[in-house]
Amino acid sequence: DSGVTQTPKHLITATGQRVTLRCSPRSGDLSVYWYQQSLDQGLQFLIQYYNGEERAKGNILERFSAQQFPDLHSELNLSSLELGDSALYFCASSATDRGTDTQYFGPGTRLTVL
Amino acid sequence: GQQVMQIPQYQHVQEGEDFTTYCNSSTTLSNIQWYKQRPGGHPVFLIQLVKSGEVKKQKRLTFQFGEAKKNSSLHITATQTTDVGTYFCGGILTTDSWGKFQFGAGTQVVVTP
Repeated sequence: DSGVTQTPKHLITATGQRVTLRCSPRSGDLSVYWYQQSLDQGLQFLIQYYNGEERAKGNILERFSAQQFPDLHSELNLSSLELGDSALYFCASSATDRGTDTQYFGPGTRLTVL
Repeated sequence: GQQVMQIPQYQHVQEGEDFTTYCNSSTTLSNIQWYKQRPGGHPVFLIQLVKSGEVKKQKRLTFQFGEAKKNSSLHITATQTTDVGTYFCGGILTTDSWGKFQFGAGTQVVVTP
């Protein structure tokens, strides 16, 4: 158990809908990363937050947004969902905003868009 | 596109054999980290290398960071069924901000008893 929690575990929704994925980092970690894992695509970096502020952005679609709250939990909002958004979404936490920290991954949220 | 490339994408190994998986970047990396993801699981940190030419060992696993800090390798000796999973390398490109972590697509390892 990494200490990172993600809810829900599974999410099935229809195209055009909007969903929110939630992540609680390990106790004491200030940084949260979001990744998308599709088949044969590896782990695609979406966005990083540190202590409530956006710090780094990857190839995150405009339909996706994220935020980190004062209690350090983070939410990833996915809107106008398309079939291609079906994937496993991981969040990871680390102590600081530096990319040299160990990242602790949550169990992931499996999103299925029908 | 993918900035960090991993080869091979798939590796079928007989139990007891050795194999190596490679990680390459066209841009210098500040660091390289390796993670292992078991089937149905989440990535788990294995190791980090930061120095040019650095070599680290963990039991049967040997990790190396290239002299130019553009490539890395993971060598596993005497493969066991517990080595099954996907191995990801990743790091920060020196041209990117500190938090923009780039992962390779992973090497999926299947071990035949």
